[in-house]
Amino acid sequence: KAGVTQTPRYLIKTRGQQVTLSCSPISGHRSVSWYQQTPGQGLQFLFEYFSETQRNKGNFPGRFSGRQFSNSRSEMNVSTLELGDSALYLCASSLGSGTLETYGYTFGSGTRLTVV
Amino acid sequence: EDQVTQSPEALRLQEGESSSLNCSYTVSGLRGLFWYRQDPGKGPEFLFTLYSAGEEKEKERLKATLTKKESFLHITAPKPEDSATYLCAVQAGGGGSNYKLTFGKGTLLTVNP
Repeated sequence: KAGVTQTPRYLIKTRGQQVTLSCSPISGHRSVSWYQQTPGQGLQFLFEYFSETQRNKGNFPGRFSGRQFSNSRSEMNVSTLELGDSALYLCASSLGSGTLETYGYTFGSGTRLTVV
Repeated sequence: EDQVTQSPEALRLQEGESSSLNCSYTVSGLRGLFWYRQDPGKGPEFLFTLYSAGEEKEKERLKATLTKKESFLHITAPKPEDSATYLCAVQAGGGGSNYKLTFGKGTLLTVNP
């Protein structure tokens, strides 16, 4: 079965621009989470969506936003890019509800964003 | 605030030399503790979920254990292909914390032939 698909794989943007990243979860998964990974801070939680509703948000500025569509696909947007936004952005999908065992998260390969 | 600390930061082993990685955590009501493996340029790959103290899970040369304060990932007779960064994460119970993972910074394991 197809895994989590993130597009694009690589992006180079200029400071001040905005960027949109896309994530298609595993078929049947209704929860999509986003994480930022940097060498200094490791993996940090951005936000999580379930059935088009944001259920939790991490400690990131309002420049970081996201949404989820009715088919569970998700996008995240970063406006007014800063050099410090350079990172690997990872998307994870899960069923998002039900028993404990269904809360396993499957990650995509990520989008490598470089801000210059 | 949930916290996860992994040690050591880096570990270099000879092929066949067994060892353990540590993950210490503080969380308000543990819902699950996760172990992932991450290869360079790729997303984390799921290994194990542990739910309660005393639980153990095994997969090939890997065995994960859980206590009330920490988890260990034991690697028996490692091979060079086990080289990767191993990540530990916790999921807390209750409210919005249900829906996020808090990660440690990982242990970079290198296995030399």
